[in-house]
Amino acid sequence: QKEVEQDPGPLSVPEGAIVSLNCTYSNSAFQYFMWYRQYSRKGPELLMYTYSSGNKEDGRFTAQVDKSSKYISLFIRDSQPSDSATYLCAMRRGNEKLTFGTGTRLTIIP
Amino acid sequence: NAGVMQNPRHLVRRRGQEARLRCSPMKGHSHVYWYRQLPEEGLKFMVYLQKENIIDESGMPKERFSAEFPKEGPSILRIQQVVRGDSAAYFCASSSGAGSTTGELFFGEGSRLTVL
Repeated sequence: QKEVEQDPGPLSVPEGAIVSLNCTYSNSAFQYFMWYRQYSRKGPELLMYTYSSGNKEDGRFTAQVDKSSKYISLFIRDSQPSDSATYLCAMRRGNEKLTFGTGTRLTIIP
Repeated sequence: NAGVMQNPRHLVRRRGQEARLRCSPMKGHSHVYWYRQLPEEGLKFMVYLQKENIIDESGMPKERFSAEFPKEGPSILRIQQVVRGDSAAYFCASSSGAGSTTGELFFGEGSRLTVL
């Protein structure tokens, strides 16, 4: 079993829809939870960063962490074609290595 | 306010040659991480370094691969006697390792190695 599980997709939704991306994990020691966006042939870009459980909102993006269920989510409201990318969840404990999900490829259809 | 800088962006090597990839972390960051990404796959951890120290090399292949982060200058990932299977994108990330932003990790644009 992988430490971090993420559905690779691909996921296609119409423009303006709400997108829900999810990851589950097995290591209860993880403290920091992140979502990265990666465009083709580019480096991962940090989108959302959360410490421990709770919600965090930034513009059209909302990140949720439920440590009791070992489940994290990223919601994108009013999705735009420019949101088309691969979204990677990632998590770590302290300064240890960041462990990634495999990424979900998202396409927003105009 | 430069981000994480990696060079070269693209590198072509023939089998048996050496590849050297360089990474300069963000200003004020002293923690460097190297990751490898194969096409259609996620990011796989290779090594975590602080200045002059290797903290975690659990993801590094036992042979041909080495990494350093000297007191002065960039971090270097070195691959000796490259083989076709080494073809991948290699990403470097850095973090401050301190305070409330401990968890945040910022990535460079990557170095894409092609082995002929």
